[in-house]
Amino acid sequence: DTEVTQTPKHLVMGMTNKKSLKCEQHMGHRAMYWYKQKAKKPPELMFVYSYEKLSINESVPSRFSPECPNSSLLNLHLHALQPEDSALYLCASSQDPTASYEQYFGPGTRLTVT
Amino acid sequence: AQSVTQLGSHVSVSEGALVLLRCNYSSSVPPYLFWYVQYPNQGLQLLLKYTSAATLVKGINGFEAEFKKSETSFHLTKPSAHMSDAAEYFCAASKAAGNKLTFGGGTRVLVKP
Repeated sequence: DTEVTQTPKHLVMGMTNKKSLKCEQHMGHRAMYWYKQKAKKPPELMFVYSYEKLSINESVPSRFSPECPNSSLLNLHLHALQPEDSALYLCASSQDPTASYEQYFGPGTRLTVT
Repeated sequence: AQSVTQLGSHVSVSEGALVLLRCNYSSSVPPYLFWYVQYPNQGLQLLLKYTSAATLVKGINGFEAEFKKSETSFHLTKPSAHMSDAAEYFCAASKAAGNKLTFGGGTRVLVKP
């Protein structure tokens, strides 16, 4: 099974709301990623977790807060977002953080900030 | 810094015709290379990967890609396009020892009946 699941599928939130995105994989992968994808653009890396520890933060604003509670789960906490943060948020996982194994992507959460 | 270039942001092909999507990478060390496909409102699905084992790589859905070091290219082909191939295609690269993907700008494929 090479499935990465993400919930919710769609999310609409106001600029003062707090919400969370959830990602789950049961492939035993030890690297997990958050990407942001705007329309007609490639995904942009936001965060990388290696062995449940944050290893890469691509200078993402603090209104995005990642969390990795265990090796199967990845959350992205959202607070005080701006309309320009509206995008498709993709989660991905790969087998080994130290090697270039392929990344498996979830279906994404379509976020709209009003 | 590593970069990936996809020539042509849009490609239109007739059903049954050859699909050719171009990808060039910029790196002093041949990287690991990947092709992903993204259908509307979905995540990315891996089509195939190059990891230095063989220069001609076969993937899913009848796609294949050839790694050419001399041309720093990794072009994707499919002999006969199907309507279901209409999607966005991304070429991506990573360092031999690393897990950051560098994506190309993407190529949208339209298949005409």
